[in-house]
Amino acid sequence: EAGVAQSPRYKIIEKRQSVAFWCNPISGHATLYWYQQILGQGPKLLIQFQNNGVVDDSQLPKDRFSAERLKGVDSTLKIQPAKLEDSAVYLCASSSTSGGPYEQFFGPGTRLTVL
Amino acid sequence: GENVEQHPSTLSVQEGDSAVIKCTYSDSASNYFPWYKQELGKRPQLIIDIRSNVGEKKDQRIAVTLNKTAKHFSLHITETQPEDSAVYFCAASWGNQFYFGTGTSLTVIP
Repeated sequence: EAGVAQSPRYKIIEKRQSVAFWCNPISGHATLYWYQQILGQGPKLLIQFQNNGVVDDSQLPKDRFSAERLKGVDSTLKIQPAKLEDSAVYLCASSSTSGGPYEQFFGPGTRLTVL
Repeated sequence: GENVEQHPSTLSVQEGDSAVIKCTYSDSASNYFPWYKQELGKRPQLIIDIRSNVGEKKDQRIAVTLNKTAKHFSLHITETQPEDSAVYFCAASWGNQFYFGTGTSLTVIP
């Protein structure tokens, strides 16, 4: 089965610019996650979708970060304006909701550098 | 919410020796405990998992143990090899919500 796809793989921007990341989950997976992974740390959940609804966005900095999953499949994560501390790898993951517990599959990530 | 603690943060072992990484969790509702291996610049990959109705699971050189009463679980790697060098993350999950540990950087010295 095809894995989780993400683009771009790398992005370099200057602070105060905006950036968007795209994720395509595994076909049929209803749950989609966006994580931020700062170097040397574990993944930190930013937002979790169930189909096109938000399950958890408690750690999403909503003044600058936004995410959507309009048709319950692909998702985009946007940062506007970016800060230096946003430099990290942004990981998308998906999991099925049939049966359970639910194994989570990760995409390759987008490495963001904010200068 | 769930809080997952992971120790040690770094671990160096000689090739052929065993490595043990420990995690604790706080939410007794958590019922699924995956372990991920992340090589430099790559995505986390699931290497083994355990569900709350099982106390131990083994897959070749890798094993995981779970103590529900004490709320801790451990990853055991035997006969370590240089290719085991990576960062390992534990996670605790309930439903489809996942909480990750802070990671253990394992170095296997040839």
